[in-house]
Amino acid sequence: DAGVTQSPTHLIKTRGQQVTLRCSPKSGHDTVSWYQQALGQGPQFIFQYYEEEERQRGNFPDRFSGHQFPNYSSELNVNALLLGDSALYLCASSSSTLPTGELFFGEGSRLTVL
Amino acid sequence: QKEVEQNSGPLSVPEGAIASLNCTYSDRGSQSFFWYRQYSGKSPELIMSIYSNGDKEDGRFTAQLNKASQYVSLLIRDSQPSDSATYLCAVNRYSGGGADGLTFGKGTHLIIQP
Repeated sequence: DAGVTQSPTHLIKTRGQQVTLRCSPKSGHDTVSWYQQALGQGPQFIFQYYEEEERQRGNFPDRFSGHQFPNYSSELNVNALLLGDSALYLCASSSSTLPTGELFFGEGSRLTVL
Repeated sequence: QKEVEQNSGPLSVPEGAIASLNCTYSDRGSQSFFWYRQYSGKSPELIMSIYSNGDKEDGRFTAQLNKASQYVSLLIRDSQPSDSATYLCAVNRYSGGGADGLTFGKGTHLIIQP
């Protein structure tokens, strides 16, 4: 049973560029959330997708956008990259039939912005 | 602003002893509480969830919740070197399938000394 898979695992971008990160949720899960984890910090909630719609959003600017596809996979897009966007981006999947905070995380995509 | 506070540590505990990790939260509307373990360079992994006041035991782990004091704790009995990790406390306003991201603390770095 495949867990949550994310790609790419590492990437380097320069300021002002755009990046797309991808996530496939755990089999049987229909909800995908994205978190940003800066070094030495806890994960911060970016947004959650369910039934192909953004259901909830954290305190992140509109430069951060996402999408969920009919097969429940998801993308996170970040435009106009800033140095401060350098972080580990974690995708978490869950099931709408289970308690909302019981998340399964992927191994993350580490983004470095130069 | 919802906040979750944890002592960042490091917390050093001898092997075989009890490790006690603490967390306070600011949002009185919080309904569900979680402990995630994160090994260095890895993604968070759910180890305990608790929804009602009192204690919840699972193997060597016990989670304790006191909503009146807005306090959550995690006890690890018979600590092993493999328990060395960062422990993240997280809270949520929902206990069912509601939409809301988790609010994480910064984590406590636990070191089990052989």
